[in-house]
Amino acid sequence: NAGVTQTPKFQVLKTGQSMTLQCAQDMNHEYMSWYRQDPGMGLRLIHYSVGAGITDQGEVPNGYNVSRSTTEDFPLRLLSAAPSQTSVYFCASNHGRSGSNEQFFGPGTRLTVL
Amino acid sequence: AQRVTQPEKLLSVFKGAPVELKCNYSYSGSPELFWYVQYSRQRLQLLLRHISRESIKGFTADLNKGETSFHLKKPFAQEEDSAMYYCALGDAGGTSYGKLTFGQGTILTVHP
Repeated sequence: NAGVTQTPKFQVLKTGQSMTLQCAQDMNHEYMSWYRQDPGMGLRLIHYSVGAGITDQGEVPNGYNVSRSTTEDFPLRLLSAAPSQTSVYFCASNHGRSGSNEQFFGPGTRLTVL
Repeated sequence: AQRVTQPEKLLSVFKGAPVELKCNYSYSGSPELFWYVQYSRQRLQLLLRHISRESIKGFTADLNKGETSFHLKKPFAQEEDSAMYYCALGDAGGTSYGKLTFGQGTILTVHP
Protein backbone atom coordinates (compact mmCIF):
# COMPACT_ATOMS: atom_id res chain seq x y z
CA ASN A 1 0.00 0.00 0.00
CA ALA A 2 1.25 3.47 -0.88
CA GLY A 3 -0.96 4.99 1.83
CA VAL A 4 -1.75 8.66 1.22
CA THR A 5 0.05 10.25 -1.72
CA GLN A 6 0.20 13.90 -2.72
CA THR A 7 1.41 15.68 -5.83
CA PRO A 8 3.21 17.89 -6.48
CA LYS A 9 5.79 18.02 -3.66
CA PHE A 10 6.65 21.64 -4.40
CA GLN A 11 4.89 24.38 -6.36
CA VAL A 12 5.49 28.07 -7.00
CA LEU A 13 2.59 30.16 -8.26
CA LYS A 14 2.08 33.77 -9.14
CA THR A 15 -0.74 35.71 -7.52
CA GLY A 16 -3.99 35.04 -9.36
CA GLN A 17 -2.99 31.69 -10.84
CA SER A 18 -5.05 28.61 -10.15
CA MET A 19 -3.93 25.08 -9.51
CA THR A 20 -5.04 21.74 -8.11
CA LEU A 21 -3.25 19.82 -5.38
CA GLN A 22 -3.77 16.11 -5.83
CA CYS A 23 -4.38 13.63 -3.03
CA ALA A 24 -5.05 9.92 -3.27
CA GLN A 25 -5.30 7.07 -0.81
CA ASP A 26 -5.39 3.34 -1.41
CA MET A 27 -6.65 2.24 2.01
CA ASN A 28 -10.36 2.45 1.16
CA HIS A 29 -10.80 5.14 3.80
CA GLU A 30 -14.13 6.92 3.96
CA TYR A 31 -12.97 10.16 5.49
CA MET A 32 -10.45 12.52 3.91
CA SER A 33 -9.27 15.96 4.97
CA TRP A 34 -7.07 18.82 3.86
CA TYR A 35 -5.00 20.79 6.36
CA ARG A 36 -2.62 23.66 6.00
CA GLN A 37 0.43 24.00 8.22
CA ASP A 38 1.74 27.44 9.11
CA PRO A 39 4.41 28.39 11.67
CA GLY A 40 2.89 29.12 15.05
CA MET A 41 -0.58 28.13 13.86
CA GLY A 42 -0.35 24.36 13.91
CA LEU A 43 -2.48 22.52 11.38
CA ARG A 44 -5.80 24.02 10.39
CA LEU A 45 -8.57 22.15 8.62
CA ILE A 46 -9.52 23.51 5.19
CA HIS A 47 -12.12 21.04 3.89
CA TYR A 48 -13.09 17.49 4.61
CA SER A 49 -15.15 14.69 3.11
CA VAL A 50 -17.04 11.83 4.72
CA GLY A 51 -17.47 9.90 1.50
CA ALA A 52 -17.70 10.16 -2.27
CA GLY A 53 -19.90 13.08 -3.22
CA ILE A 54 -19.96 14.59 0.29
CA THR A 55 -17.73 17.47 1.34
CA ASP A 56 -17.89 20.20 3.93
CA GLN A 57 -15.93 23.22 5.08
CA GLY A 58 -13.39 23.25 7.83
CA GLU A 59 -11.88 26.13 9.77
CA VAL A 60 -10.22 28.01 6.87
CA PRO A 61 -12.09 27.19 3.62
CA ASN A 62 -11.96 30.56 1.85
CA GLY A 63 -10.11 30.48 -1.46
CA TYR A 64 -10.24 26.70 -1.76
CA ASN A 65 -12.60 24.24 -3.42
CA VAL A 66 -12.80 20.48 -3.13
CA SER A 67 -14.72 17.62 -4.70
CA ARG A 68 -14.82 13.90 -4.02
CA SER A 69 -15.94 11.94 -7.03
CA THR A 70 -14.27 8.70 -5.91
CA THR A 71 -13.33 7.18 -2.56
CA GLU A 72 -9.66 7.32 -3.49
CA ASP A 73 -9.19 10.92 -4.63
CA PHE A 74 -9.70 14.25 -2.91
CA PRO A 75 -8.20 17.15 -4.90
CA LEU A 76 -7.87 20.65 -3.49
CA ARG A 77 -8.29 23.57 -5.89
CA LEU A 78 -6.90 27.03 -5.40
CA LEU A 79 -9.11 29.29 -7.46
CA SER A 80 -6.99 32.45 -7.53
CA ALA A 81 -3.80 32.08 -5.55
CA ALA A 82 -2.84 34.72 -2.99
CA PRO A 83 0.40 35.16 -1.01
CA SER A 84 -1.57 34.30 2.16
CA GLN A 85 -1.97 30.80 0.76
CA THR A 86 1.76 30.18 0.94
CA SER A 87 1.88 27.16 3.22
CA VAL A 88 2.47 23.45 3.47
CA TYR A 89 -0.63 21.45 2.63
CA PHE A 90 -1.32 18.02 4.07
CA CYS A 91 -3.96 15.59 2.98
CA ALA A 92 -5.12 12.98 5.47
CA SER A 93 -7.48 10.03 5.57
CA ASN A 94 -9.29 8.02 8.20
CA HIS A 95 -11.27 4.82 7.76
CA GLY A 96 -14.04 6.05 10.02
CA ARG A 97 -15.31 2.61 10.91
CA SER A 98 -13.73 1.79 14.25
CA GLY A 99 -14.66 5.11 15.79
CA SER A 100 -11.03 6.16 16.08
CA ASN A 101 -10.08 9.54 14.74
CA GLU A 102 -6.52 8.54 13.88
CA GLN A 103 -5.50 10.36 10.71
CA PHE A 104 -3.02 9.03 8.16
CA PHE A 105 -1.12 11.85 6.49
CA GLY A 106 0.40 12.37 3.08
CA PRO A 107 3.92 13.76 2.60
CA GLY A 108 2.71 17.31 2.02
CA THR A 109 2.85 19.90 -0.76
CA ARG A 110 4.95 23.00 -0.16
CA LEU A 111 3.29 25.91 -1.97
CA THR A 112 4.74 29.36 -2.47
CA VAL A 113 2.63 32.15 -3.94
CA LEU A 114 4.58 35.16 -5.19
CA ALA B 1 -15.91 24.78 20.31
CA GLN B 2 -12.83 22.69 20.83
CA ARG B 3 -9.36 23.99 21.40
CA VAL B 4 -5.89 22.56 21.94
CA THR B 5 -3.14 24.59 23.56
CA GLN B 6 0.54 23.75 23.53
CA PRO B 7 2.10 26.52 25.60
CA GLU B 8 5.72 25.95 24.52
CA LYS B 9 6.68 26.75 20.93
CA LEU B 10 10.26 25.68 21.58
CA LEU B 11 11.71 23.24 24.08
CA SER B 12 15.41 22.45 24.44
CA VAL B 13 16.89 19.73 26.59
CA PHE B 14 20.16 17.84 26.76
CA LYS B 15 20.48 14.19 25.85
CA GLY B 16 19.54 11.98 28.77
CA ALA B 17 17.41 14.63 30.47
CA PRO B 18 13.69 14.15 31.10
CA VAL B 19 11.33 15.93 28.77
CA GLU B 20 7.69 16.94 29.10
CA LEU B 21 5.67 18.52 26.31
CA LYS B 22 2.52 20.12 27.61
CA CYS B 23 -0.91 19.90 26.03
CA ASN B 24 -4.17 21.26 27.39
CA TYR B 25 -7.52 20.96 25.69
CA SER B 26 -10.98 22.42 25.91
CA TYR B 27 -13.89 20.27 24.77
CA SER B 28 -17.41 19.74 26.04
CA GLY B 29 -17.79 16.29 24.52
CA SER B 30 -15.91 13.05 24.97
CA PRO B 31 -12.31 13.64 23.88
CA GLU B 32 -9.93 11.43 21.98
CA LEU B 33 -6.36 12.72 22.26
CA PHE B 34 -3.34 12.08 20.08
CA TRP B 35 0.29 13.06 19.83
CA TYR B 36 1.70 13.33 16.33
CA VAL B 37 5.38 13.79 15.50
CA GLN B 38 6.91 15.37 12.42
CA TYR B 39 10.61 14.82 11.81
CA SER B 40 12.42 17.28 9.60
CA ARG B 41 10.63 17.65 6.26
CA GLN B 42 8.65 14.44 6.74
CA ARG B 43 4.96 13.72 7.01
CA LEU B 44 3.15 13.71 10.32
CA GLN B 45 3.01 10.32 11.93
CA LEU B 46 1.07 9.10 14.91
CA LEU B 47 3.14 8.77 18.07
CA LEU B 48 0.53 8.02 20.73
CA ARG B 49 -3.18 7.98 21.33
CA HIS B 50 -4.69 7.98 24.78
CA ILE B 51 -7.02 5.04 24.26
CA SER B 52 -4.14 2.64 23.62
CA ARG B 53 -2.22 3.62 26.75
CA GLU B 54 1.05 2.36 25.27
CA SER B 55 4.61 3.60 25.28
CA ILE B 56 6.17 4.38 21.91
CA LYS B 57 9.87 5.21 21.57
CA GLY B 58 9.94 5.66 25.35
CA PHE B 59 7.20 8.31 25.29
CA THR B 60 4.07 8.10 27.40
CA ALA B 61 1.05 10.35 27.80
CA ASP B 62 -1.84 10.14 30.23
CA LEU B 63 -5.17 11.78 29.70
CA ASN B 64 -6.16 13.79 32.78
CA LYS B 65 -9.80 14.75 32.32
CA GLY B 66 -9.87 16.72 35.56
CA GLU B 67 -7.05 18.99 34.41
CA THR B 68 -7.98 18.62 30.71
CA SER B 69 -4.39 17.77 29.92
CA PHE B 70 -2.53 15.21 27.84
CA HIS B 71 1.15 15.90 28.48
CA LEU B 72 3.81 13.90 26.64
CA LYS B 73 6.71 12.61 28.72
CA LYS B 74 9.96 10.78 28.23
CA PRO B 75 12.39 10.08 31.08
CA PHE B 76 15.59 10.18 29.01
CA ALA B 77 15.59 12.24 25.82
CA GLN B 78 17.61 11.16 22.79
CA GLU B 79 18.96 13.29 19.95
CA GLU B 80 16.71 11.46 17.49
CA ASP B 81 13.69 12.77 19.41
CA SER B 82 14.33 16.23 17.97
CA ALA B 83 11.21 17.03 15.96
CA MET B 84 7.96 18.98 15.89
CA TYR B 85 5.29 17.52 18.15
CA TYR B 86 1.59 18.19 17.78
CA CYS B 87 -1.16 17.43 20.24
CA ALA B 88 -4.51 16.75 18.54
CA LEU B 89 -8.10 16.34 19.68
CA GLY B 90 -11.03 14.47 18.17
CA ASP B 91 -14.40 13.31 19.41
CA ALA B 92 -14.40 9.82 20.90
CA GLY B 93 -18.05 9.39 20.01
CA GLY B 94 -17.21 9.52 16.32
CA THR B 95 -19.08 12.72 15.57
CA SER B 96 -16.00 14.56 14.33
CA TYR B 97 -15.79 12.28 11.26
CA GLY B 98 -12.05 11.86 11.59
CA LYS B 99 -11.37 15.58 11.81
CA LEU B 100 -8.82 16.66 14.35
CA THR B 101 -8.12 19.95 16.08
CA PHE B 102 -4.39 20.53 16.42
CA GLY B 103 -2.36 22.55 18.83
CA GLN B 104 0.23 25.03 17.63
CA GLY B 105 3.04 22.52 17.92
CA THR B 106 6.20 22.32 20.01
CA ILE B 107 9.64 22.07 18.44
CA LEU B 108 11.76 19.81 20.62
CA THR B 109 15.53 20.05 20.29
CA VAL B 110 17.70 17.54 22.10
CA HIS B 111 21.31 18.66 22.39
CA PRO B 112 24.20 16.19 22.61
